[in-house]
Amino acid sequence: DSGVTQTPKHLITATGQRVTLRCSPRSGDLSVYWYQQSLDQGLQFLIQYYNGEERAKGNILERFSAQQFPDLHSELNLSSLELGDSALYFCASANFGRLKGGYTFGSGTRLTVV
Amino acid sequence: GESVGLHLPTLSVQEGDNSIINCAYSNSASDYFIWYKQESGKGPQFIIDIRSNMDKRQGQRVTVLLNKTVKHLSLQIAATQPGDSAVYFCAENGEGGGSNYKLTFGKGTLLTVNP
Repeated sequence: DSGVTQTPKHLITATGQRVTLRCSPRSGDLSVYWYQQSLDQGLQFLIQYYNGEERAKGNILERFSAQQFPDLHSELNLSSLELGDSALYFCASANFGRLKGGYTFGSGTRLTVV
Repeated sequence: GESVGLHLPTLSVQEGDNSIINCAYSNSASDYFIWYKQESGKGPQFIIDIRSNMDKRQGQRVTVLLNKTVKHLSLQIAATQPGDSAVYFCAENGEGGGSNYKLTFGKGTLLTVNP
């Protein structure tokens, strides 16, 4: 157990629907990162939050949004889902006061859009 | 822009052999590098890291080499075991520190260990 918790582990939904992925960071980590991983794209950075504030955006579609709550858990919202959104979505957390070790990843949510 | 890439997308080795996985990076300002291992169905896990003021770092059966002159990073796995079969990613931190700390990942190399 890495200490980063992601739910649900698997999600199957239809095109056009909306889903919410949840992430609880490791205790003490203020920063949360979301990544999308598909077979041919590797780990694609989506968005970063630090202590509730958005800090960086990557290749995140306008149909996607995220937020980090006061208790530091984060949610990634995916709407108007398309078949191409099927992928693994990873959350990672980090503690800047302890740069060593990089990110700690959760086990991911596998999203299948049918 | 910055990018981190891998020379070989797949690597197949025999059990007991040594494995070498390579990575090229383009941001000369990167000061911290990490190798991650991702097993099937799991999230990436930290293996070993190295700072830019070093050129070699050893862990248990793993060694990371950094050549800043040619912007190249490699991961050496000694006496490769079937449990080492996974995708290996290199990552660099070249876009700031503190709360702007962000890693850039390479595409990954699939290592397959044959018994």
